[in-house]
Amino acid sequence: DTAVSQTPKYLVTQMGNDKSIKCEQNLGHDTMYWYKQDSKKFLKIMFSYNNKELIINETVPNRFSPKSPDKAHLNLHINSLELGDSAVYFCASSQEVGRTSYNEQFFGPGTRLTVL
Amino acid sequence: AQSVTQLDSHVSVSEGTPVLLRCNYSSSYSPSLFWYVQHPNKGLQLLLKYTSAATLVKGINGFEAEFKKSETSFHLTKPSAHMSDAAEYFCVVSEKGGFQKLVFGTGTRLLVSP
Repeated sequence: DTAVSQTPKYLVTQMGNDKSIKCEQNLGHDTMYWYKQDSKKFLKIMFSYNNKELIINETVPNRFSPKSPDKAHLNLHINSLELGDSAVYFCASSQEVGRTSYNEQFFGPGTRLTVL
Repeated sequence: AQSVTQLDSHVSVSEGTPVLLRCNYSSSYSPSLFWYVQHPNKGLQLLLKYTSAATLVKGINGFEAEFKKSETSFHLTKPSAHMSDAAEYFCVVSEKGGFQKLVFGTGTRLLVSP
């Protein structure tokens, strides 16, 4: 079974459209993340949710809205897509509550978003 | 704010020769440090992590890294490269306090030739 899954794997769309990327983890973790990897492979955190509560919100345009219906899911909705949104988006999860040291984040396979 | 600098954007080795991927960190506190690997068109996988226990950390697939506070370094090494090691490697620092937030280096592409 895939630990962290994302759908879709590829997403090609026009500027101005609204799109969503879904993420699910079956590891029982309490914290989930969204990262953006640009064309130069640079990875940067966008959001993090712990038990459905937003705990990290980097300086991301408010066109990006994460939603966590439950601990196992963290979806990313993007409004009014722009050319600069083209990137690979990675979802990740980890167990934070009760940890005694920094725990591994498990990453999904990524969603390659192309905005034309 | 914490940061990491990966000193080489590309490293080329021959199969069977040693691998050295360099990473320097900047941190106000004792950091947690990680190395992640990303194979082409794949997600990221943890190779190893340092969290203030032993300074020499052993990871998967024969990789290891040594935390050197005096040099603020956390270089990744492997005695003998394999073709399957060809990938992108990221040095990562975790900010202390509160929930974990990973800060990634810019990555080093490891090329392995036969």
